[in-house]
Amino acid sequence: KNQVEQSPQSLIILEGKNCTLQCNYTVSPFSNLRWYKQDTGRGPVSLTIMTFSENTKSNGRYTATLDADTKQSSLHITASQLSDSASYICVVSPNRDDKIIFGKGTRLHILP
Amino acid sequence: DTGVSQDPRHKITKRGQNVTFRCDPISEHNRLYWYRQTLGQGPEFLTYFQNEAQLEKSRLLSDRFSAERPKGSFSTLEIQRTEQGDSAMYLCASSPSARDQETQYFGPGTRLLVL
Repeated sequence: KNQVEQSPQSLIILEGKNCTLQCNYTVSPFSNLRWYKQDTGRGPVSLTIMTFSENTKSNGRYTATLDADTKQSSLHITASQLSDSASYICVVSPNRDDKIIFGKGTRLHILP
Repeated sequence: DTGVSQDPRHKITKRGQNVTFRCDPISEHNRLYWYRQTLGQGPEFLTYFQNEAQLEKSRLLSDRFSAERPKGSFSTLEIQRTEQGDSAMYLCASSPSARDQETQYFGPGTRLLVL
């Protein structure tokens, strides 16, 4: 069964600190993996997208990594800001199948 | 703002009433998707369109739910005889084509509360 598991479920850190969110998937075959940011009451917004051949992708203070062998991805946030408070959702696309699979997300809280 | 709009943003209704939501995708996008999201969960796939054709419906989409995209542009999602379990955020997304590498762009969602 194709699944996407994220950890931790929630995370609280102080403003300015770094953090790393994890995503493990069992989707096979695999086409690409995306990280989305979802602010409360809003729709998800794409942060990064990586194919199986890519190991890392950056978008400002967000850096995503992908290990296709172990089927793990991480999203690293550097120098966190209050506006980073949101849910971060890992999304995996099976090959030649447009029905993408969502993780449940990690809820990140940044404290001043 | 991703360019995908949804209306209304919030809807409160009484159990048994019908509700209709609208989604306007990015204009050149062929694919349009509907998802449902409950608190603390990721979005769950409901259905999607390639232009005006509805290509797939999830088992979550009971016979009380119907979606249309009559001209291949905007789409509507109707829920008949609403139940309290229908309370959720309903998200619409669009993508340029059928290629699975294409990112889906999400709208802000319509939050439904059934009393």
